[in-house]
Amino acid sequence: GQQLNQSPQSMFIQEGEDVSMNCTSSSIFNTWLWYKQDPGEGPVLLIALYKAGELTSNGRLTAQFGITRKDSFLNISASIPSDVGIYFCAGRGGSEKLVFGKGTKLTVNP
Amino acid sequence: EADIYQTPRYLVIGTGKKITLECSQTMGHDKMYWYQQDPGMELHLIHYSYGVNSTEKGDLSSESTVSRIRTEHFPLTLESARPSHTSQYLCASSKGVGGTRETQYFGPGTRLLVL
Repeated sequence: GQQLNQSPQSMFIQEGEDVSMNCTSSSIFNTWLWYKQDPGEGPVLLIALYKAGELTSNGRLTAQFGITRKDSFLNISASIPSDVGIYFCAGRGGSEKLVFGKGTKLTVNP
Repeated sequence: EADIYQTPRYLVIGTGKKITLECSQTMGHDKMYWYQQDPGMELHLIHYSYGVNSTEKGDLSSESTVSRIRTEHFPLTLESARPSHTSQYLCASSKGVGGTRETQYFGPGTRLLVL
């Protein structure tokens, strides 16, 4: 089946630094979604991408749908303590079901 | 902001008990999903429904069952809970527009502990 590789697995950064994380797939996806999950809560949608090459921003967050349709990137600029959480990518290929990455755990030191 | 609700948020129960986790959404979404997630780990799809009276098993085998009698309601039932069922259960829904422009919205989850 389709699999996603999300990296890095965890990140420890200082407040104010920029963050980059990515997901890659062995097969072509036609939708990429990025979610953030706080402890004990459900994932919250951050950005949705539907077209290869698409670059979309949501405040300090920017995500891109890779041109090969096999990867996606999420960048967070000028991180703040409330950015702490686990970030998940999710993709959809030919099937209607979403495939999730294993998550990137972000820790921001004030 | 998504209007999808799950109850209870937390549940501690003994082995062998029957439990039902509730999920409801007020967005009129056709599609609903149940995921199982261990703390800090990836999400695994265990059940989904594309409409009333339609349910399918997901990618991860689960001893739970689901029903979809009403569009807004998608309960999950464990007939006999076991410690191996301890996990977080997340409900999600999406509008059935078909094609690729479809986004899933999640509820807050139910954290289940079976003793």
